[in-house]
Amino acid sequence: RKEVEQDPGPFNVPEGATVAFNCTYSNSASQSFFWYRQDCRKEPKLLMSVYSSGNEDGRFTAQLNRASQYISLLIRDSKLSDSATYLCVSPTGGGNKLTFGTGTQLKVEL
Amino acid sequence: NAGVTQTPKFQVLKTGQSMTLQCAQDMNHNSMYWYRQDPGMGLRLIYYSASEGTTDKGEVPNGYNVSRLNKREFSLRLESAAPSQTSVYFCASSAPWGAETQYFGPGTRLLVL
Repeated sequence: RKEVEQDPGPFNVPEGATVAFNCTYSNSASQSFFWYRQDCRKEPKLLMSVYSSGNEDGRFTAQLNRASQYISLLIRDSKLSDSATYLCVSPTGGGNKLTFGTGTQLKVEL
Repeated sequence: NAGVTQTPKFQVLKTGQSMTLQCAQDMNHNSMYWYRQDPGMGLRLIYYSASEGTTDKGEVPNGYNVSRLNKREFSLRLESAAPSQTSVYFCASSAPWGAETQYFGPGTRLLVL
């Protein structure tokens, strides 16, 4: 089983919609997770971190469900500029390494 | 402050040719990483360097070598390129106190014929 697994999508939503992505993880000992955003043909960039208490930043909310071993990303009031691939990320083993999911593609349409 | 820079941006190689991908960061980060990204596979770690003078294998190191030249620079070498190495290569760096925040370079698109 992969360390982190995501639905690849694409999720096609109208502007203004609320959309949620889930990511399942296999290492029950992981304490924190991250969501990165990757625009088409660009490099990934950190969007937000997810700890046990969850995290909210404007229209974006990330939550961690330890019992079911998944993290979620909720985007409210979707904008065209939110169109991107969202990568679920988990720290790996020791050191400063990360394991990246394959990403969920979001397309926000007029 | 340029962040993480990579050269070249694009490269076409023939099977068996060699090349070195260059990466430099100006954020005084200790850790640096090389990833490859393929459709449906996500980002996979090739090699990483926790600090100057140290390098370790990641998930897919075969066919690659790395050099941590100094704190700023971390290069990736393909000694004998193969079509299976056609990919987008990203270099990244992170500070020890915020390892979850990896800063990525713009990537190198490599095509091996």
